[in-house]
Amino acid sequence: AQSVTQPDIHITVSEGASLELRCNYSYGATPYLFWYVQSPGQGLQLLLKYFSGDTLVQGIKGFEAEFKRSQSSFNLRKPSVHWSDAAEYFCAVGTALKNNDMRFGAGTRLTVKP
Amino acid sequence: SQTIHQWPATLVQPVGSPLSLECTVEGTSNPNLYWYRQAAGRGLQLLFYSVGIGQISSEVPQNLSASRPQDRQFILSSKKLLLSDSGFYLCAWRGGRTQETQYFGPGTRLLVL
Repeated sequence: AQSVTQPDIHITVSEGASLELRCNYSYGATPYLFWYVQSPGQGLQLLLKYFSGDTLVQGIKGFEAEFKRSQSSFNLRKPSVHWSDAAEYFCAVGTALKNNDMRFGAGTRLTVKP
Repeated sequence: SQTIHQWPATLVQPVGSPLSLECTVEGTSNPNLYWYRQAAGRGLQLLFYSVGIGQISSEVPQNLSASRPQDRQFILSSKKLLLSDSGFYLCAWRGGRTQETQYFGPGTRLLVL
């Protein structure tokens, strides 16, 4: 069964600094990979997804992620963080082979310092 | 375009009272629907999912139940709430080119006192 790990529980960056959130997955084949963002008291919003093709995917709000098969990683990046990016970020992995196959990481909370 | 609604947005209930949370989806037909719970500071726990009217699969044994009376309606219920039922409840539907992506509703904050 597939699984996903987000090694960082909490990250603090300064506004304007670059950001990288880590995500590692476990799955024997090429999975579907997702990043979601959750603001306090809100639902999860899809930032971007990967399932084939170019390994560098662009998402909304200036985010991008790179799929690296050799490292089983799908890290999320942003070149310059804005205060409004402060939120919880979830990485997820799925296969679309079963109805209940999506697995979410525990989340990384991002704090942005002024 | 598709939209997903949840209500109520916030609910405060006493222990032992019943519960009914509703989720509806617009702009799609026969979607897979999901209920998740998110405890404070924790990740997402899948509670139930449904692939069609009247078809419910339970992921974890618990005090809750789910029903799908209509194609785009998914209800989460309890006969008697426990303190441990407090949390943030999220409904999601599954879409995308190969039905690979889950899209989430705004959530319901439940506080059991």
